[in-house]
Parts: sequence; C-alpha cells; structure tokens
Amino acid sequence: EPEVTQTPSHQVTQMGQEVILRCVPISNHLYFYWYRQILGQKVEFLVSFYNNEISEKSEIFDDQFSVERPDGSNFTLKIRSTKLEDSAMYFCASRERPSYNEQFFGPGTRLTVL
Amino acid sequence: GDSVTQMEGPVTLSEEAFLTINCTYTATGYPSLFWYVQYPGEGLQLLLKATKADDKGSNKGFEATYRKETTSFHLEKGSVQVSDSAVYFCALTHLTNAGKSTFGDGTTLTVKP
Repeated sequence: EPEVTQTPSHQVTQMGQEVILRCVPISNHLYFYWYRQILGQKVEFLVSFYNNEISEKSEIFDDQFSVERPDGSNFTLKIRSTKLEDSAMYFCASRERPSYNEQFFGPGTRLTVL
Repeated sequence: GDSVTQMEGPVTLSEEAFLTINCTYTATGYPSLFWYVQYPGEGLQLLLKATKADDKGSNKGFEATYRKETTSFHLEKGSVQVSDSAVYFCALTHLTNAGKSTFGDGTTLTVKP
C-alpha cells in the first residue's frame, strides 16, 4: 500500500541552524501539507501546497519557514534559523485530488532544537 | 474559523469497558470528519471517517456518526482493550484546494487490564 515517507525520523540541531525536513508524498497525489505537534499538544496546520505554490499558510508559518517541491517527488520544509520553540514533531501529509478529502500522514520527523 | 473541541482527558478505563470520547465542531459548510489515533512515539493513523451528515464511520470496533444537527462526531467502542491505549484526535477537513485539517486537542486513553 502506498504511503507517505519522511526523513529523517529524528533531527537534532543547534539553535540558529537551518534544517530541512524531507517528505515523499504518495506518487499520484496533488496536494501536500505540513503540520506540527509540539510535545503533548494538538496537531497544528502549517502550510498547504498545490500546483507548485502555497495554497494556504497559518500564522505559525512565518518568514523562517519555506516549502519546496524540488524534483517532482520530494516535498521539503526548511526552517532557516531554528529556535528552541521549533522543537516538535513535524508531519507531512498528501491528498490525491480536490474531491477526495482524506489526507495521508507520514510517520513524522521529531525535531529537537538545543 | 474552524474549530474542534474534544472532551478533556485523560480517560482511564478497565478492559472491556464502554468508551465514548466526545467531539464537537464549528465550521462553515459541510466538512468531512475524521478520528485519528496516535500510539506512543508514532505518527497519526486514520481510524475512521465520515463525509456527510448521518454517515457512520467504523473500524476495528470503533464507530462515530456525523451529526450535523448537534455538530458532533463522538467516538464509541463497546469493549476496549489494553491495546487501544493511545491518543485520539478528532479532526475536520473541507473539500477546498487548501483542504487543511483542523484537529482537536486529543484525548489520551489508558486501558487497564
């Protein structure tokens, strides 16, 4: 069964460093998402991406964040200068088409900022 | 904007007890509703879904019915097992190009033998 994959599973970085989180969505899906979950809290929407551009972004998704689909298969989330409060689990998700409402979530990347 | 409210946890039950986790939502239009389960240290797994009013989603003994009149999607299971111990998230999604999901706070369920 097709699935969304994410790498790395765990990333440890120093405050102020740039990190790139990678996701491989399901191959025929057209819509891509990033969510984050701070430990013990709810899952929060960050950004949605369709047709090579951002469809919607939340207040959390400030200028420190960017997304890219560099090669037609990977979908990346970059944090330019990490802060302690960026420590969280980051989930990638993909959706097949407009009429299909189910999102498929990846296993997540745990980001720890020291 | 959209919002999802879940009953506060944690919930602790004995094995074979009946489970209800309440979920209500606020949204415009007709969103689709979902329950996700998250086991310790793992990602989100779709448990069940319902796409329109009066639909009942079911999976692994869990059920939830989309009630538009009460804007609710309560999760139920007749007899829980220790293996059901996890965090349960209620969520909604609209059929738009963005199609983002809005999640509730999550309810931690612990089932004791």
